[in-house]
Amino acid sequence: NAGVTQTPKFQVLKTGQSMTLQCAQDMNHEYMSWYRQDPGMGLRLIHYSVGAGITDQGEVPNGYNVSRSTTEDFPLRLLSAAPSQTSVYFCASRDGQGYYAEAFFGQGTRLTVV
Amino acid sequence: AQSVTQLDSQVPVFEEAPVELRCNYSSSVSVYLFWYVQYPNQGLQLLLKYLSGSTLVKGINGFEAEFNKSQTSFHLRKPSVHISDTAEYFCAVSEEGASGSRLTFGEGTQLTVNP
Repeated sequence: NAGVTQTPKFQVLKTGQSMTLQCAQDMNHEYMSWYRQDPGMGLRLIHYSVGAGITDQGEVPNGYNVSRSTTEDFPLRLLSAAPSQTSVYFCASRDGQGYYAEAFFGQGTRLTVV
Repeated sequence: AQSVTQLDSQVPVFEEAPVELRCNYSSSVSVYLFWYVQYPNQGLQLLLKYLSGSTLVKGINGFEAEFNKSQTSFHLRKPSVHISDTAEYFCAVSEEGASGSRLTFGEGTQLTVNP
């Protein structure tokens, strides 16, 4: 079972460059989300989606865009990378009503912006 | 709005000792509580969850947690830890009715088990 797959695992960007972090899940989950993990700050929600065609902002959305054209895929776009976006990014998916369901996480993307 | 506070950022213990990782939450409605574990260079995986019913919840790898509504706490415990339990542990809360099924995480507690 693949679960939640993130690519790439590592990425180095120069300030101002753009890129897309890919996330795909094969569990037919409605809910998908992106988090960033920084030391001492836990995981903070960037954007989330409750289904195909529906997205919304989390607590730290600035500098990021998302779209959800299919149930399976939820890419995260960095529009113009900044050093403050150096972080580890996790994609997660949840089933059903979401608020009581377990979240499944990808392995993460470690991004460095220089 | 929901929030989670993990009271200890680092917890060092010796092998076979008991451990408690503390978590407090804040919410104005019914909540669902989770503990996740993250091993080095990996994603998070579920240890246990409290949805309703018995306030003592048992999870994988011998961990358990107790939901205390009056103290708004959900502390994680293990009676005897192993070296392999070394990892970062996250407490998380999900609020009933919250749009988008937001899962809010605490800051994390690094558990280090020493021989």
